[in-house]
Amino acid sequence: SQKIEQNSEALNIQEGKTATLTCNYTNYSPAYLQWYRQDPGRGPVFLLLIRENEKEKRKERLKVTFDTTLKQSLFHITASQPADSATYLCALDDNSGTYKYIFGTGTRLKVLA
Amino acid sequence: DTEVTQTPKHLVMGMTNKKSLKCEQHMGHRAMYWYKQKAKKPPELMFVYSYEKLSINESVPSRFSPECPNSSLLNLHLHALQPEDSALYLCASTSRRDSPLHFGNGTRLTVT
Repeated sequence: SQKIEQNSEALNIQEGKTATLTCNYTNYSPAYLQWYRQDPGRGPVFLLLIRENEKEKRKERLKVTFDTTLKQSLFHITASQPADSATYLCALDDNSGTYKYIFGTGTRLKVLA
Repeated sequence: DTEVTQTPKHLVMGMTNKKSLKCEQHMGHRAMYWYKQKAKKPPELMFVYSYEKLSINESVPSRFSPECPNSSLLNLHLHALQPEDSALYLCASTSRRDSPLHFGNGTRLTVT
């Protein structure tokens, strides 16, 4: 069966450290993988998109890697701040030529001051 | 503020009521989505419209009926819902498969 799992339901880290979140998938071959941030009571907000032929993408303090052999994406937040506390979701397309995007289970990140 | 507007923000309805959720975007996006999100769970895909035609229905019960009257507007008609249908209903849109999804802030639905 198809699954998209994010490594832990919750992750606590100290301010200033690097947070690393994992997205693992099975029985998908996505062309695109996206990362979103969601705050309570709000819709998800787009952060980064990476294509299947890209290994790494960066934006300010954020970095995403994509390993299609391992079927895994890593999402890093460097120099983390309490304001980074939120739920982070990966989403991938099912590469069926449609606009179908499926979300992973999510990780609740808490950055401790 | 988001570029995808959802109304109402909150809705309480009885199991025999009929109500509708509305979603609007003016970004010229050709794909629009309905997702359902329960507390502490990820968004779960319900429907996708592409160029105003229903392209994906994720085996959603018929008490949920989507409608796309034009390229900017998406509705979700609700009828005879169950208490377990209580959730945050999110609308999203995108221009291409390799572009971000733009989400509204959702309608918080409570079925009593």
